[in-house]
Amino acid sequence: DIVMTQTPLSSPVTLGQPASISCRSSQSLVHSDGNTYLSWLQQRPGQPPRLLIYKISNRFSGVPDRFSGSGAGTDFTLKISRVEAEDVGVYYCMQATQFLYTFGQGTKLEIK
Amino acid sequence: QVQLQESGPGLVKPSGTLSLTCAVSGGSISSSNWWSWVRQPPGKGLEWIGEIYHSGSTNYNPSLKSRVTISVDKSKNQFSLKVISVTAADTAVYYCARDPGQHNGYAFDIWGQGTMVTVSS
Repeated sequence: DIVMTQTPLSSPVTLGQPASISCRSSQSLVHSDGNTYLSWLQQRPGQPPRLLIYKISNRFSGVPDRFSGSGAGTDFTLKISRVEAEDVGVYYCMQATQFLYTFGQGTKLEIK
Repeated sequence: QVQLQESGPGLVKPSGTLSLTCAVSGGSISSSNWWSWVRQPPGKGLEWIGEIYHSGSTNYNPSLKSRVTISVDKSKNQFSLKVISVTAADTAVYYCARDPGQHNGYAFDIWGQGTMVTVSS
């Protein structure tokens, strides 16, 4: 199984300031078809997860452009350029390169 | 737009069977998507349980495979999850989700609201 490790597990951020979350996989997420199936999800309190980013850096429909994804191989990053109050929640990375699909343990974003 | 809605008993006895259904509305379950179940124990992270295609093809999490069955009912536009021999460790919020496949990076783009299932006597 591919293990996904996120850092930090908790991130207090000031409104309007940037935030960054890292995700590292235990093995390369490059699929034999050349794609890298790494996505990012946001889970607001009491809500189901919501897709933000797919294939490392593609923003899903309706996701604000303050969210961006980057990385390659085993190291990936989700960045929020200017944190807003509605961004509070837990963020998960997820790999779908190899069965079984696995998630990071989650990073809790909170406002200072 | 496509929406997913989970339903089923909120309380299951230990050693019993957990049965949930996910109704698909606003679209056909026979479209080119995989349909997944994901669970989240209280206060914890996400665990992928398994998925099904409208043809009936399935993939399961090996850690759960011996106890899990996912099925599809195209006539009702829904898919279902069954977990046998449940214990307290199966207590979780259960989500159904859509995976559009390769063109969307095998990312779960639509989620149900989730349903809480508690295993207790």
